[in-house]
Order: sequence, then structure tokens, then C-alpha cells
Amino acid sequence: SQQGEEDPQALSIQEGENATMNCSYKTSINNLQWYRQNSGRGLVHLILIRSNEREKHSGRLRVTLDTSKKSSSLLITASRAADTASYFCATDIWGAQKLVFGQGTRLTINP
Amino acid sequence: EPEVTQTPSHQVTQMGQEVILRCVPISNHLYFYWYRQILGQKVEFLVSFYNNEISEKSEIFDDQFSVERPDGSNFTLKIRSTKLEDSAMYFCASIPTGAGGTGELFFGEGSRLTVL
Repeated sequence: SQQGEEDPQALSIQEGENATMNCSYKTSINNLQWYRQNSGRGLVHLILIRSNEREKHSGRLRVTLDTSKKSSSLLITASRAADTASYFCATDIWGAQKLVFGQGTRLTINP
Repeated sequence: EPEVTQTPSHQVTQMGQEVILRCVPISNHLYFYWYRQILGQKVEFLVSFYNNEISEKSEIFDDQFSVERPDGSNFTLKIRSTKLEDSAMYFCASIPTGAGGTGELFFGEGSRLTVL
């Protein structure tokens, strides 16, 4: 399997519900980041969590990191139609000056 | 707010032709990247560039690819002889520094390359 695998690949929920996306990775990391991509557009940074942090919040976003399980989750609370996008986790691996992206989760929020 | 700009937004080319994709990173950034995304698939690392040289490249980045920072502002990706499988969205990204690990990447809107 690959570094940075998101689960589920696609998620469809009703507006107002919470959306949870998961990411697993394989190697030791400096940090893990989440990005959002609207269809046909560039990636936009959402949040970064360092390897010594367990949880981080930004507005309606909550990210957790479990380095023992090599996994992270992104929770979007009170979802809105405008949250419809693909969400990618990206890992900053020790010794590598780059981010490795996962496959992404396609999130659809139904009004 | 400063942003990464990429041109062209869309390029259609014939197989075997050379293509140059251009990027203007954010002015005080030091690390530059090219990533690509085949339609609907993952975002793949191609190459990173620092201090006027390649710092890392992936196995995708073979002899057909090259990067250059010709004038201190532009950062270009050249594909010498395009193949059908080079059809993808190519993203340029930059970060201000590599100290303490790779922080937030600032991405451009991408250049869509279609090889016929």
C-alpha cells in the first residue's frame, strides 16, 4: 500500500451533518497536512498537525493524529454545500523535503 | 495576498512535441515543486528545486523532464517529447523555507496538459 491512503474514497452526506475522513501512512513523519481541492482547481492548505501533536482545531475543522497507529482523521462539523470538494492528506516524511499525497476523499454535501 | 501563478491554464499538444509549463512562485519563497495529477487520481510528486538545483526527483521525472529557474522569478517545467500518458494537470507549488520540515505548500491553479 502507499504512503497516505484516505478512507473512504467517496463520502456523501446531508448538509449540517459531520464528515469524517481518515488517512493512514507508513513511515515516520515530521507533520501531516490536509488540503482541499475544488474540482479542476489547485490545492488549498487547510491545516497542519505536527508529529508531537494529537489534535488540532481550525474553525469547523478538527484533525487528530495517532502516530502509534500512523493515522489521522479530519472532521468537518456542520457541513455546508460549499464544503463539497476532494480532501487530501499529505505527509512530510523525515529526511524528504516534499509532501507525499494520498488518493483523496471526494466529499459531496447534499443540500 | 501573494499567490503562485501558472501559465498556460490549458495546453493541447501533439505527441512528441515539446511543452514548457511556466510558474511564478511567491517572491520570497525558496523551495519550488512540481506535482502532477492525472484526472481524478492522486497528486504525485515530480521534483523539488532549491538553490538553483534539483533537490529531489521522483521516478516519474525521467530524462524527458527538466526544470529551470531562468530569471529568478519564473520556474519552468519542460517535457521534451510528450507522450499520451503525460496528459495530466501539472501543479507548481512553493514554500518559504525548508527549515523544520516541509510546511504549508502554496499551490498554483495548475496547467492542464492534453497530449493527442
